[in-house]
Order: sequence, then C-alpha cells, then structure tokens
Amino acid sequence: QSMLTQPPSASGTPGQRVTISCSGSSSNIGGNFVSWYQQLPGTAPKLHIYDNNQRPSGVPDRFSGSKSGTSASLAISGLQSEDEADYYCAVWDDRLKGWVFGGGTKLTVL
Amino acid sequence: EVQLLESGGGLVQFGTSLKLSCTPSGSSFGIYALGWVRQAPGKGLEWVSSISGTGTTYYADSVKGRSTISRDNSNNILWLQVNSLRANDTAIYFCAQERSGHFEYWGQGALVTVSS
Repeated sequence: QSMLTQPPSASGTPGQRVTISCSGSSSNIGGNFVSWYQQLPGTAPKLHIYDNNQRPSGVPDRFSGSKSGTSASLAISGLQSEDEADYYCAVWDDRLKGWVFGGGTKLTVL
Repeated sequence: EVQLLESGGGLVQFGTSLKLSCTPSGSSFGIYALGWVRQAPGKGLEWVSSISGTGTTYYADSVKGRSTISRDNSNNILWLQVNSLRANDTAIYFCAQERSGHFEYWGQGALVTVSS
C-alpha cells in the first residue's frame, strides 16, 4: 500500500481539463517538494512537474502542479490523446528517510 | 540531457544475488544523488535505494539488510546488489539521477525475473 494516495483512474475528452490528486502526510508532502512523472506504456517514467509546480523544459504548459498542506494535484488542461498515460506523484519522506510514490493514476482520453 | 543505461538484468534463481549497474551516456553523474526505482509487472513505481554524491545510502524497507547501493564517481558507475532474491523482487529496475528533490533523468530499465 502506497504512502501517497492517488485515484487509480481518471478520464476526460479532448480539450477538457482533468485533475489528479495525491494525498500524503506531514512527513512527506507537508514538508517537501512534490514531483510528478508521466509513464507511457512500455517506457520509462518522465519528469513532468518538480518543486510542486515547476515544469521542465519541453513539457507543455498545459501541465501544471499545485500543493496545499499534505495534498498535491496535477492538472492537465486542453487534454490531448497523447496525454493518455500513467501518472505518479513522488516526494521524500522525512520519517521513512526514503522516497515514496503514489500508486499511480491511469489517465484515459475518451 | 543525461542518458542512463542499466545492465545486469536477466533470469535469476530464487535465493541468489544480482548486481545491476548503471552508467551515463555522454556525460558524468557529477555530484548528484542517484537512485534505483523498480516496477513489478503491471504495478506502480517503488523506490528501492538512493545514494548521495558523498556516499550516504538509503534503502526501502523491502530491501533493507539484503541490498547494497554503491557508486564509483571516478568511473561514473552506479551499482545495486540485491541478495536473497525473492519472487516479489521480479521487476524492471530503473536507475535515476536525483536533482534537488526529484528524479530528473531515468534509464530505460533492466528486467529482473526471479524464478524458483
């Protein structure tokens, strides 16, 4: 069971805005930066958001991140078919002295 | 952009050991922390172990006591040795370079299958 809780699935139609949540605790999200990773089928994860809300170069500005207290969210606006993938949140846990990942959310573009 | 390449995966016997390695292509690891993340078939990502630029190590409870992470900064090599392999160690093992609170670059992964 993951220390970070994500919904197992999310969906939307092209052009819509979808949000994926990530719930943690004071020892992880509450005190550290959250990052988000996109994993297309059969490929390695790719960083999409770091430091809660920063986008690496090359990631479309349709992707945005936010954090409040012990929860974080990834929002994708103007949904496109190529956004269909698994998305994972991750953060360092001060109590465990290790990284924790969310269970992952499978995003389907209808 | 840093490209990472894992090697050492394959079919291994239950109870034996495995040593994975990771090297960067076209660059060096530098002073950054490095880590291993695994993904069992059809499952999510699970952090396994990390090592800082100066050699401080961290392990997930699932491998603590039977794994060793190490690095050679001069030759740009990262290793992960896992002993007493179990069926639930079967996974794709990704190496990743950590930068200031996130995993910046990932390798393509090495598949490890533990058979009985």
